[in-house]
Amino acid sequence: NAGVMQNPRHLVRRRGQEARLRCSPMKGHSHVYWYRQLPEEGLKFMVYLQKENIIDESGMPKERFSAEFPKEGPSILRIQQVVRGDSAAYFCASSPGSSVSYGYTFGSGTRLTVV
Amino acid sequence: QKEVEQNSGPLSVPEGAIASLNCTYSDRVSQSFFWYRQYSGKSPELIMSIYSNGDKEDGRFTAQLNKASQYVSLLIRDSQPSDSATYLCAGGYSSASKIIFGSGTRLSIRP
Repeated sequence: NAGVMQNPRHLVRRRGQEARLRCSPMKGHSHVYWYRQLPEEGLKFMVYLQKENIIDESGMPKERFSAEFPKEGPSILRIQQVVRGDSAAYFCASSPGSSVSYGYTFGSGTRLTVV
Repeated sequence: QKEVEQNSGPLSVPEGAIASLNCTYSDRVSQSFFWYRQYSGKSPELIMSIYSNGDKEDGRFTAQLNKASQYVSLLIRDSQPSDSATYLCAGGYSSASKIIFGSGTRLSIRP
């Protein structure tokens, strides 16, 4: 019973490159949430997706960031033209439904370093 | 006011004692409440959830919710060195399907 799978675990990008972070939810979960965690800080909500739909992207920066969750395959968080301030841990979580009462199961995260 | 607020700590507690972690929340957060534990360099792990006023116990952990005071707490009895971690308080947003996290409290259990 695999949990939430994220890859890569570590990603190093030079300023100006693109970063692609992948997340496969738990089996039976169709709701995916992306969070960002800066060093010594809490988790900041970025985006909530269901299959083929973005439900809430209120936490996404207006530029350079995008997310998708296609019918087939993992959810992708894409950061274009990365800057040093994008260096952070990015966590994906999944749940079986939209109710927050389920709580979230998190993946192991992707640690992005921009050099 | 932050939506979910915690003291950052660090909170230092002797081994075997009770660790008490506290959290307050704003009107925008009014549904389910959660405590996550996060070890350094690891992902958050859900350890407790609470939905109604009162206490909820699970092993050495007790979560307490007081909706009138907008206050959530986590008690850890018989603290162990393995409890040393950052504890994140979280709550469900009242107007959207998402969970909002506090900035976390670092807990250190000293032998």
